[in-house]
Amino acid sequence: GAVVSQHPSRVICKSGTSVKIECRSLDFQATTMFWYRQFPKQSLMLMATSNEGSKATYEQGVEKDKFLINHASLTLSTLTVTSAHPEDSSFYICSARGGTVNSPLHFGNGTRLTVT
Amino acid sequence: QQQVKQSPQSLIVQKGGISIINCAYENTAFDYFPWYQQFPGKGPALLIAIRPDVSEKKEGRFTISFNKSAKQFSLHIMDSQPGDSATYFCAAVQTSGSRLTFGEGTQLTVNP
Repeated sequence: GAVVSQHPSRVICKSGTSVKIECRSLDFQATTMFWYRQFPKQSLMLMATSNEGSKATYEQGVEKDKFLINHASLTLSTLTVTSAHPEDSSFYICSARGGTVNSPLHFGNGTRLTVT
Repeated sequence: QQQVKQSPQSLIVQKGGISIINCAYENTAFDYFPWYQQFPGKGPALLIAIRPDVSEKKEGRFTISFNKSAKQFSLHIMDSQPGDSATYFCAAVQTSGSRLTFGEGTQLTVNP
């Protein structure tokens, strides 16, 4: 079945540095990818929606200059957390959808970011 | 109007019992209702989903019941097993927009 690969699964970085998270659709073309953030024991919060070849649409309250999203191809989207701070520590999850509005959403396995 | 309310927040069931998780929504434009299962440190995995043109969908031990007039839907896990212990999220989406709205999640523990 369809698989979404997310890398890295865990990353530890120092305050002030930037971290890039990759999300790849392995056996389908993902016209739309979503990025979520999840705090412990809480639900997923949508951060942004990206469509291949266009600028991402950010949810209210999400800083687009801090969370840079690039969706340059139909199989790859990246989230870069710039100038990371400890409060950015969280579980980041991507999901991808295929070419039609009825295509199911598939989730990656998430990236645990810890900023020290 | 975009919210999906999920209950209970946590649930403990004995092995072999039935686990029931309920969700309610407000937005009548939602037309696809998936359930996701999430294990610690992993992303959510699609478990089962339903569209509002049917009242029930069953896949193995998992059943979704859907009440369109009440704007409610529920997940029933029959013969619950310890391996079912996970967090379950209901969700709703208006497929033309494809933006998922998640419930708050239910942490299910199935005791041996």
